[in-house]
Amino acid sequence: GQNIDQPTEMTATEGAIVQINCTYQTSGFNGLFWYQQHAGEAPTFLSYNVLDGLEEKGRFSSFLSRSKGYSYLLLKELQMKDSASYLCAVVSNDYKLSFGAGTTVTVRA
Amino acid sequence: IAGITQAPTSQILAAGRRMTLRCTQDMRHNAMYWYRQDLGLGLRLIHYSNTAGTTGKGEVPDGYSVSRANTDDFPLTLASAVPSQTSVYFCASSDSGGADTQYFGPGTRLTVL
Repeated sequence: GQNIDQPTEMTATEGAIVQINCTYQTSGFNGLFWYQQHAGEAPTFLSYNVLDGLEEKGRFSSFLSRSKGYSYLLLKELQMKDSASYLCAVVSNDYKLSFGAGTTVTVRA
Repeated sequence: IAGITQAPTSQILAAGRRMTLRCTQDMRHNAMYWYRQDLGLGLRLIHYSNTAGTTGKGEVPDGYSVSRANTDDFPLTLASAVPSQTSVYFCASSDSGGADTQYFGPGTRLTVL
């Protein structure tokens, strides 16, 4: 089966930086997604990594190391609206997504 | 642009009843998916369809069935609902069944009593 681990909760202050780690052990690898999900809403796409390295997109960056089975999502200059759950999802050999349980980030003033 | 719509938004259902959750997309995506989301477990794939006319089983298919008669619609049916099927159900679609980005509908909150 697939094993995807991420912390359950994180708290940070407005304007700060938070790094959400994701480790995975899956049947093959065809990329890794990060989604954002506000309470009561649908997940929305943030980033996709398939090669090692850092992808930067505005205040959000995502890093991948395939050899270590590791990714992180970096949120900079935190805003109150960034309070949400962040979902790590791996594309396995059969091209299906396996999701971690999600990390709930709370931004405090 | 509507994207993906789901109906109903929420439903309370007696155990043993039959229920169909509806999902429609207007993006002409080939692939569609049904997930359930439970606290502490994350999203789990129930069934998927890579193209109209084909369907496949995901991680937790038991108790659920799907059909894909056309590109736009992908209904999920619970033949005889049980309390363990209480969950939030999300439909998603992607351009293909590969590693393309999946876009999610707003979800259906289902409670089985």
